[in-house]
Amino acid sequence: DIQMTQFPSSLSASIGDRVTITCRANQSISNYLNWYQQRVGKAPKLLIYIASRLQSGVPSRFSGTGSGTDFTLTIASLQPEDFATYYCQQTYSAPLTPLTFGQGTRVDVK
Amino acid sequence: QVQLVQSGAEVRKPGTSMKVSCKASGYTFTGYYIHWVRQAPGQGLEWMGWIDPLSGDTSSSQRFQGRVSMTRDTSIDTAYMQLSSLKSDDTAVYYCTRAGAYGAYGVYYGLDVWGQGTSVTITS
Repeated sequence: DIQMTQFPSSLSASIGDRVTITCRANQSISNYLNWYQQRVGKAPKLLIYIASRLQSGVPSRFSGTGSGTDFTLTIASLQPEDFATYYCQQTYSAPLTPLTFGQGTRVDVK
Repeated sequence: QVQLVQSGAEVRKPGTSMKVSCKASGYTFTGYYIHWVRQAPGQGLEWMGWIDPLSGDTSSSQRFQGRVSMTRDTSIDTAYMQLSSLKSDDTAVYYCTRAGAYGAYGVYYGLDVWGQGTSVTITS
């Protein structure tokens, strides 16, 4: 199975900060990497797919980069509604299984 | 609008089974794979498997093989996930979610629509 590791596991930030979250795969996954945001008590929300494509309706302050094994999600200027947990997911092994998630990165208020 | 609506919370005893339903609306149900993801309390997301609503083909994580069954009823645009031989660590919120594009590789485009989640508690 492909293992996904995110870091940091948590971070504290202030409104307006630039935030970067990293996701690393234990083998090359090309650019088959998605990012999700999950607010407390809510279902996850798709932010970025195929490493860098912004999902419709997602603010442009979110961006994704990377290919191969190393990927980043950047929030250019943190907003109050961005305090949440963020997950990466590899889909390289589709349609085979499993389509593994990273363990998550929690972004909270400094 | 495009949505997935799941069945309500369940409480089950160890060793029994559970079945969660996921009703789709606002799009062509048979066009997009449905995936199942769960989240134990305070934990991260765990991918479980998918079903192709058109063919009924399924694939699931090895972690659940032999215990999970994913089915669908195209007459009512509903997918189901049944998990048997329940254990306490199956306590979780279970989500159904739609792949972002048609076909087997639609998940490349992410999981773009999510159900509201179904809380399942396993307790004796």
